[in-house]
Amino acid sequence: AQSVTQPDIHITVSEGASLELRCNYSYGATPYLFWYVQSPGQGLQLLLKYFSGDTLVQGIKGFEAEFKRSQSSFNLRKPSVHWSDAAEYFCAVALNRDDKIIFGKGTRLHILP
Amino acid sequence: DAGVIQSPRHEVTEMGQEVTLRCKPISGHDYLFWYRQTMMRGLELLIYFNNNVPIDDSGMPEDRFSAKMPNASFSTLKIQPSEPRDSAVYFCASSPQLHSYEQYFGPGTRLTVT
Repeated sequence: AQSVTQPDIHITVSEGASLELRCNYSYGATPYLFWYVQSPGQGLQLLLKYFSGDTLVQGIKGFEAEFKRSQSSFNLRKPSVHWSDAAEYFCAVALNRDDKIIFGKGTRLHILP
Repeated sequence: DAGVIQSPRHEVTEMGQEVTLRCKPISGHDYLFWYRQTMMRGLELLIYFNNNVPIDDSGMPEDRFSAKMPNASFSTLKIQPSEPRDSAVYFCASSPQLHSYEQYFGPGTRLTVT
């Protein structure tokens, strides 16, 4: 069965520093890949998605993610974080357009002033 | 559009009581999802509907849980009887097309069963 792993439960970075959140999936084919963000007390919001094509995907709020087939990874990056980026980030995967989305356990991002 | 609306935002109830959570999806969205989020298990899909019809309820934990969608603008998730292990945040989400496209989440209902 397909699965998605986020190896870091918590990540702490200083405001203005760069950020990379890791995500690995286990499935033979290339799935559909997503990153969602959940701010405190809120529902999830889609940051970006990858279906095919260019492996570097741009999203909202200055985030980007790179799909690496050889590493089965879809890491999320931001060059300079802001205090408002403190939230929980979920990587998600779907087998295809008709399949349900499987979410990772999430990575909670803390920002130091 | 106001987004996905859920009510109540918080619910505290005693074990054995019936709990009903409500959701109003975004108008025009054909897919509706119910998720449960806990610290231990993360975000789990419970059930989803397409055009008001339940498509996959394999995530519903047991018979105590039931979900309905009587029309395109309203869905309920009912737990009867409730148990302390049902304590979680329950999210409703809707999607305009095939459900692997962008899902729009509501703010969630935090359920506490004592």
